[in-house]
Amino acid sequence: GESVGLHLPTLSVQEGDNSIINCAYSNSASDYFIWYKQESGKGPQFIIDIRSNMDKRQGQRVTVLLNKTVKHLSLQIAATQPGDSAVYFCAGALGTDKLIFGTGTRLQVFP
Amino acid sequence: DTGVSQDPRHKITKRGQNVTFRCDPISEHNRLYWYRQTLGQGPEFLTYFQNEAQLEKSRLLSDRFSAERPKGSFSTLEIQRTEQGDSAMYLCASSLALGGQPSSYNSPLHFGNGTRLTVT
Repeated sequence: GESVGLHLPTLSVQEGDNSIINCAYSNSASDYFIWYKQESGKGPQFIIDIRSNMDKRQGQRVTVLLNKTVKHLSLQIAATQPGDSAVYFCAGALGTDKLIFGTGTRLQVFP
Repeated sequence: DTGVSQDPRHKITKRGQNVTFRCDPISEHNRLYWYRQTLGQGPEFLTYFQNEAQLEKSRLLSDRFSAERPKGSFSTLEIQRTEQGDSAMYLCASSLALGGQPSSYNSPLHFGNGTRLTVT
């Protein structure tokens, strides 16, 4: 099966700095990974996804890196803003039939 | 608003009562998922549908839980004889699965804002 975990429960960064949130997965057959942002009282909001045939994918201010050798992925947020404060989840799957989520990292942005 | 809609947002019930939640997916999405999330944890998969067919159920889904999607559009999740351990956020998500393509090319799951259930 798949288990997905995050290295740090809380990450504090200063506004304007870059943030890096890390995630490890166990199933080397997983071929799809996705990052979600969840604010208090709301459902997870899609940020970016990546398929296993890619090493890197960029969005607006966000980059996901996938290292299949060590089964690790990361989410980089450039120029972190107060609105980025939330809990971030990584999830993995074989396809997108069933996502397996990690426990989340809380990102705190301070001025 | 064309996102995933869930109703109600909050439900407080007494132990032993039955509750039903509704999910309206994004209209063009043919897949619908139910997840459960407890405080401090990531969402846990419960079940999913493609159109009206229920394709997979988690072992977390006891026989007190039943989900339906009768017309392939909205879905309901019913919990019978609720227990305090059922208290959680119940999340619905939808996606578009493309026929003939590898499943990894399906669209990302888009979540609603959930129904928070409190069993007293």
